[in-house]
Amino acid sequence: DQQVKQNSPSLSVQEGRISILNCDYTNSMFDYFLWYKKYPAEGPTFLISISSIKDKNEDGRFTVFLNKSAKHLSLHIVPSQPGDSAVYFCAASSGGNQFYFGTGTSLTVIP
Amino acid sequence: DTGVSQDPRHKITKRGQNVTFRCDPISEHNRLYWYRQTLGQGPEFLTYFQNEAQLEKSRLLSDRFSAERPKGSFSTLEIQRTEQGDSAMYLCASSPPGLAGSETQYFGPGTRLLVL
Repeated sequence: DQQVKQNSPSLSVQEGRISILNCDYTNSMFDYFLWYKKYPAEGPTFLISISSIKDKNEDGRFTVFLNKSAKHLSLHIVPSQPGDSAVYFCAASSGGNQFYFGTGTSLTVIP
Repeated sequence: DTGVSQDPRHKITKRGQNVTFRCDPISEHNRLYWYRQTLGQGPEFLTYFQNEAQLEKSRLLSDRFSAERPKGSFSTLEIQRTEQGDSAMYLCASSPPGLAGSETQYFGPGTRLLVL
């Protein structure tokens, strides 16, 4: 039962353009959401998070948007850089200690 | 402290053998998590420790899996009587004290297990 879904397995974007990665969830009890980036042979690295009391959180080139009514969040990367090429996972929790991860989206930024 | 470390990084074993993995969290982190990741999937929660207490365990976790964190520092994950379906990347993560469900987890590089 996949409670967090990333329906796009891959995405290619030109350097300098915007990358938009999407994530949908089914559990309305989720109230905290995170994005992680993963390079090959490494563990996931925390990127940005958002609480359900907000609808937007920004950190440099990275912005996460949360639409609670649609149970949807997205990560925007502007401008995209070749070093951003990685697999991106969204994750969610409902206030407990169990985090649910999506299946990931592989982003390729083309120079 | 350079982050979460895991040992070994790779393990190849024969079906039916027992394996044990070790995780050393960031020193001031009292929370520790184990995840399993298979190809094309995201990390799947296995279990959670706060200090030495195992507070949550996935209902999907087989009885062949056991985890310990005896002194509230490093943790071990043991898989008994391994099966080919256990082949996966086993990830450990730690996080500092804070409000449950809102902390940032710091992941180790993982242990890749291959069961032949």
